[in-house]
Amino acid sequence: SQTIHQWPATLVQPVGSPLSLECTVEGTSNPNLYWYRQAAGRGLQLLFYSVGIGQISSEVPQNLSASRPQDRQFILSSKKLLLSDSGFYLCAWSGLAFSSYNEQFFGPGTRLTVL
Amino acid sequence: SQQGEEDPQALSIQEGENATMNCSYKTSINNLQWYRQNSGRGLVHLILIRSNEREKHSGRLRVTLDTSKKSSSLLITASRAADTASYFCATLGQNFVFGPGTRLSVLP
Repeated sequence: SQTIHQWPATLVQPVGSPLSLECTVEGTSNPNLYWYRQAAGRGLQLLFYSVGIGQISSEVPQNLSASRPQDRQFILSSKKLLLSDSGFYLCAWSGLAFSSYNEQFFGPGTRLTVL
Repeated sequence: SQQGEEDPQALSIQEGENATMNCSYKTSINNLQWYRQNSGRGLVHLILIRSNEREKHSGRLRVTLDTSKKSSSLLITASRAADTASYFCATLGQNFVFGPGTRLSVLP
């Protein structure tokens, strides 16, 4: 069965520090991968998605970047965190990108607090 | 502007009652999905309804879709305290767009 991992679960970082969040998927090949951010009590904002190794699409201009160095690994990074980067970051995967039969499977999330 | 928007934003009911949440969207879609999120956790997929479907059932869940009104509803029948969570609709058009969610509290 498929499993999606995210770490760390929680992170407290000072403003201006770098960030690296990792997401890995097991039990499937060539998944479509997504990074979302959720502000407290709000819906999800799609940040990045990837349909293959080295292929990254950005949904909104921001202080963050994403990379996909391996088929089942998706990394969210920042060189210098801002206060506004605080939030709950969720990684997800799906088998078919943007198809009529698509559903997404979410990881447990990383709660990032920037102080 | 927000593609998927749920209402109400918050809903509090007694155990055993039915809970209805609504979702409206603005552009054409391929499908609409409902997800559940327990506090501080990832989202869990509940049900997907395609644009050519009007109603779908899964256990105690019933989802309707009205593409002419660009709206969907999620009905949870005979609610339980364990149904307490936030519920999100997500529309798939060109991309996935999630609404802000409805916080459901089921009181024992």
